[in-house]
Amino acid sequence: GNSVTQMEGPVTLSEEAFLTINCTYTATGYPSLFWYVQYPGEGLQLLLKATKADDKGSNKGFEATYRKETTSFHLEKGSVQVSDSAVYFCALQRSQGAQKLVFGQGTRLTINP
Amino acid sequence: GAGVSQSPSNKVTEKGKDVELRCDPISGHTALYWYRQSLGQGLEFLIYFQGNSAPDKSGLPSDRFSAERTGGSVSTLTIQRTQQEDSAVYLCASSLVQGAEKLFFGSGTQLSVL
Repeated sequence: GNSVTQMEGPVTLSEEAFLTINCTYTATGYPSLFWYVQYPGEGLQLLLKATKADDKGSNKGFEATYRKETTSFHLEKGSVQVSDSAVYFCALQRSQGAQKLVFGQGTRLTINP
Repeated sequence: GAGVSQSPSNKVTEKGKDVELRCDPISGHTALYWYRQSLGQGLEFLIYFQGNSAPDKSGLPSDRFSAERTGGSVSTLTIQRTQQEDSAVYLCASSLVQGAEKLFFGSGTQLSVL
């Protein structure tokens, strides 16, 4: 079946540190991949996405590259800020137009000033 | 409203009681989803509504769970005879079109079954 595995948290970093949150997936066919973010007190919102192999999604300084050979979609940011503190969820969509997303368990990120 | 609205934000109930959770999607969004987030777990898909089509109920964990969507807008998730393992955050999401490319989530209902 389709599944997503994220690195376990929580992750705590200092401001301006480099961030990587690992995500690997298991899926048949050619899924689309997503990162969602949940800021404190808010609902999940789409951060970035990639729909085919070697695509790079980017937003707000975050990037993730769809690596089919390693079935990964790691989230990276070169210099994190306190405002990036949130829970990050990796997700896949089995195929474009598929009805639901399969989510990982989430990784809580805390950035200290 | 501007976003997906869920109510109540918190619900504490006793084991065996029924609960109803409400979701108001973004106006005009035809697709509506319910997910559940248990402690330490990922988001678990429960049910999906799309327009007037029959809902996809494949994620409902037992027949104690049901959901309806009236008039293609507001949705209610009902849990009958609640159990302690039902304790979780119940999230509702909507999207403008069929397919899950971009979901807009509510802040969720924290359900605690004592």
